[in-house]
Amino acid sequence: AQTVTQSQPEMSVQEAETVTLSCTYDTSESDYYLFWYKQPPSRQMILVIRQEAYKQQNATENRFSVNFQKAAKSFSLKISDSQLGDAAMYFCAYILVQGAQKLVFGQGTRLTINP
Amino acid sequence: DSGVTQTPKHLITATGQRVTLRCSPRSGDLSVYWYQQSLDQGLQFLIHYYNGEERAKGNILERFSAQQFPDLHSELNLSSLELGDSALYFCASDRGRGTYGYTFGSGTRLTVV
Repeated sequence: AQTVTQSQPEMSVQEAETVTLSCTYDTSESDYYLFWYKQPPSRQMILVIRQEAYKQQNATENRFSVNFQKAAKSFSLKISDSQLGDAAMYFCAYILVQGAQKLVFGQGTRLTINP
Repeated sequence: DSGVTQTPKHLITATGQRVTLRCSPRSGDLSVYWYQQSLDQGLQFLIHYYNGEERAKGNILERFSAQQFPDLHSELNLSSLELGDSALYFCASDRGRGTYGYTFGSGTRLTVV
């Protein structure tokens, strides 16, 4: 079965500090892409970062970076210098290159930023 | 503005009724995806259309149907509505296989009373 597990339903961090959100996934395929999406109170789903599974180098986007461990099927998101605007639900997801072109999402982690 | 337009933003209707949710994809995108987000189920894939053709179906109920029109906009029809159908329905679009990440609309909040 294709599943994504986010083991932390809620996380909180002090403003300006660093936080890491965990994600593990399960697929028997070897070719896929991984994503983190942010859903603020506005409900909009916003793409934060993308990782190609065939690349060993971890993706980074400004203050956001990932730790991709393919063998362990782990894809964590690190947010550095947390800002109040980072408060949101964060969803981990993946899509297979072959087969149905659907994103498979985890249940999400609610991130709170404490001022 | 993501470029994906969903209407209406909010919809309140009674059980047993039928509603239509509309989605206009981002300019140039041929793929449209529908997802349902409920409190206890997370984001569930419903259906994918590419250039007017159905490409994949997920956990979509028989009471639900969708189509993509020649101008590429899509409609999701929900009939015989039940309380459990209350959810946020997202449309997303993509130019190809989704591997660059979808662009999501802002969703339609459906409340069935």
